[in-house]
This record gives sequence, structure tokens and C-alpha cells, in this order.
Amino acid sequence: EAGVAQSPRYKIIEKRQSVAFWCNPISGHATLYWYQQILGQGPKLLIQFQNNGVVDDSQLPKDRFSAERLKGVDSTLKIQPAKLEDSAVYLCASWGETNTEAFFGQGTRLTVV
Amino acid sequence: GQNIDQPTEMTATEGAIVQINCTYQTSGFNGLFWYQQHAGEAPTFLSYNVLDGLEEKGRFSSFLSRSKGYSYLLLKELQMKDSASYLCAVRDSNYQLIWGAGTKLIIKP
Repeated sequence: EAGVAQSPRYKIIEKRQSVAFWCNPISGHATLYWYQQILGQGPKLLIQFQNNGVVDDSQLPKDRFSAERLKGVDSTLKIQPAKLEDSAVYLCASWGETNTEAFFGQGTRLTVV
Repeated sequence: GQNIDQPTEMTATEGAIVQINCTYQTSGFNGLFWYQQHAGEAPTFLSYNVLDGLEEKGRFSSFLSRSKGYSYLLLKELQMKDSASYLCAVRDSNYQLIWGAGTKLIIKP
């Protein structure tokens, strides 16, 4: 089966600019996660979707971050405006009901300068 | 609060055995996961434990004691390609994944 697809792989922007990331999960996976991973740390959950509904967005900085999964398939994560501390790898993962684990995409490495 | 603890860094020799420990305190328990993450890459699944005991998968084994809130990942016959970070994660009562900071494993020839 095809894996989780993410784009872009790398992005460099200036602070206060906007950026968007895209994720296409494994076909049929209802659960989709967006994680932020800062160098040397474990993944931090930003938002979890079940189909097109939000399950958990308690750690999403909602003043600048937004995410949607309109048709319950692919998802976008947006940052507007970006801050220097947003520099991190943004990982998308999906989970199917018959799976015992989450599958990760390659991630998007964001550098804010 | 919820907490996952693992050593920050470990060093081992090629061909040897290494044990990476993980202790956890979470709101409920619905399984413990170990993932491997090479530098600049996404995490990849290694193992899943939901019952106490040892799960063996080739050179890698994972152990769980729910009463102690403890797990370890055992890597045998270490190879240079095993140099990576190893992440421990617990799924809590809300089926949320709580992640540790990861253990960076350095393999020396």
C-alpha cells in the first residue's frame, strides 16, 4: 500500500510570513495526526482528526495555526504568521482501524528566519 | 500529568547488545510502542506491547511491565545502521499517543 504523502519536504520562510503543509494519508485511514517535532525532542501532537472531525486540538496554537480535513481524506496545516520558534519538522501520521500502529509521512522541515 | 522518561543518549559497540529503558506515567494504558527514527527521517514502527511480557522480532525485542510502568527495547547483534533515535510512546485511555523525547543510540565500530 502507498504510504503517507507530505509536501513540501523543505520550506524556508521569513518570520511573519505564512506557510501551508499538505498531507495525504494512507487510503482508508480515518485517523490523521499532525505533529511538531523540534530537534532532539519527541513528536508533539498538534491536532488529531477522525475522518473530517477534530478529536483533539488542545495543543494547537490557535492564534497562528489552523488545520482542516474537509473531505476526511487529505489535510492541510497552516501557520500564519510564522515565528522563529516554529522552526521544526512537521509530521503527518495516519492510523487505520485494523492497524496496531501509526504510519508517518516523511515530514516537512520548516525553517523560519 | 502524563510523562514518558527515556535516557537521552546511549553508546554501544557494533555486535553487542543494548537495552533502552522507558518508564511512563499516563492516564490509562492502551498499549506501548517503540519507533526508530534516523536523522532527518520519519519515525518507523518497531514494536507494540499491550500485555506484560517479551515480544521478540528478529534482532529486536520489547518488554512490558504494566504494574511497574516500564518497558525496554533490546537490540542484539548491533549494526552500524542501528544508529538512530528510539522513541517510546504510550497510548492513553483516550487513545492519544504520548511520546517520549527519544534515546539517541550511537554505535561505535
